[in-house]
Amino acid sequence: DTAVSQTPKYLVTQMGNDKSIKCEQNLGHDTMYWYKQDSKKFLKIMFSYNNKELIINETVPNRFSPKSPDKAHLNLHINSLELGDSAVYFCASSPWGLAQQYFGPGTRLTVL
Amino acid sequence: GESVGLHLPTLSVQEGDNSIINCAYSNSASDYFIWYKQESGKGPQFIIDIRSNMDKRQGQRVTVLLNKTVKHLSLQIAATQPGDSAVYFCAENSLTSNQFYFGTGTSLTVIP
Repeated sequence: DTAVSQTPKYLVTQMGNDKSIKCEQNLGHDTMYWYKQDSKKFLKIMFSYNNKELIINETVPNRFSPKSPDKAHLNLHINSLELGDSAVYFCASSPWGLAQQYFGPGTRLTVL
Repeated sequence: GESVGLHLPTLSVQEGDNSIINCAYSNSASDYFIWYKQESGKGPQFIIDIRSNMDKRQGQRVTVLLNKTVKHLSLQIAATQPGDSAVYFCAENSLTSNQFYFGTGTSLTVIP
């Protein structure tokens, strides 16, 4: 009965590849988020969706594209992966925007 | 990209002592604040929150203090235990302008 789940947990890939990370929440929340956490633990928001609608789109390369097929899912697709994309990516959800967020376990992406 | 030039603040305390983790927030319009705890290899987890109409809120072994005059937030942990070792983040939210920010985080190490 995991609240926010992400797959895969680890992702190792070559530069230039395209990859996706999936996120699902079973909490019935309206809002979902993607964060990037670097090796110094700084947590940066990338995107936020409310009821499948994009509401926050921070300055990230357009190689990153979120997709929300329904309000329980928010996937992150990354094109032409670069070394600097290596990080831990967290998905989160909240009952409404700006409320307490519930985070997934993270996906550690390593680009070689 | 990476948070170049910035370092994660660290705090070391003896087991049983009280810990105080500080956070300076930036937006004077922020009106809702949350503390999160991130253990190694996991996503951040909610600890406690406080609204701007309060200056103190207590939970189990944790207390959050808010000083709006100097835009300062603190998290006090009583009788710190080894399980409290983690990175702690403050998050500031502006419900009126629909903005939120995560702080840089503080790494707490409890010495047995």
